[in-house]
Amino acid sequence: GAVVSQHPSWVICKSGTSVKIECRSLDFQATTMFWYRQFPKQSLMLMATSNEGSKATYEQGVEKDKFLINHASLTLSTLTVTSAHPEDSSFYICSAPARERSYNEQFFGPGTRLTVL
Amino acid sequence: GDSVTQMEGPVTLSEEAFLTINCTYTATGYPSLFWYVQYPGEGLQLLLKATKADDKGSNKGFEATYRKETTSFHLEKGSVQVSDSAVYFCALSKSNFGNEKLTFGTGTRLTIIP
Repeated sequence: GAVVSQHPSWVICKSGTSVKIECRSLDFQATTMFWYRQFPKQSLMLMATSNEGSKATYEQGVEKDKFLINHASLTLSTLTVTSAHPEDSSFYICSAPARERSYNEQFFGPGTRLTVL
Repeated sequence: GDSVTQMEGPVTLSEEAFLTINCTYTATGYPSLFWYVQYPGEGLQLLLKATKADDKGSNKGFEATYRKETTSFHLEKGSVQVSDSAVYFCALSKSNFGNEKLTFGTGTRLTIIP
């Protein structure tokens, strides 16, 4: 299967600072990537759809000025949590559909644990 | 909107026991249904899928049948192993391949005891 990586795997930051999370498709090109957020004992909630070369599409209720998404290349999307607060602490997961592959399914990164103090 | 309701966990079973994890959905149109598995420290992986009513998805001894009449997609395995310990997510998508956005259930943590 295809591989999606995330960096960092975990991060701790102080309240008010910004944190950038990277999502990379390692062996395929991804014109689209998805960013999910997972709360403890809860489902993965889609935050936004990242589109290469254009603006991201945010789900209802997600603050686009707080969660900045940049999809600058066919293999990299970044999520920046700006002015982070403790309520932003969560597990962030990205995924990318490998549409160029015959199996054409979606592949997930291992996730990034964000803790805001 | 679309939603997926999944059996609450955690579930603990002995090795070789029979497994059922319930999943029901609410959606407009005819979604495709998926089960994903997340092993410790790894990303979600597609376990199996079904794209239309009465389809049965199967993989690694796991099975699930798309039941439109009961809007269900329950995951089953006849004899679980310790290596099956993981978190299982039921999901739906409007895309047959799941390469569009997915709507997930809450996940069920499964622990198999030797």
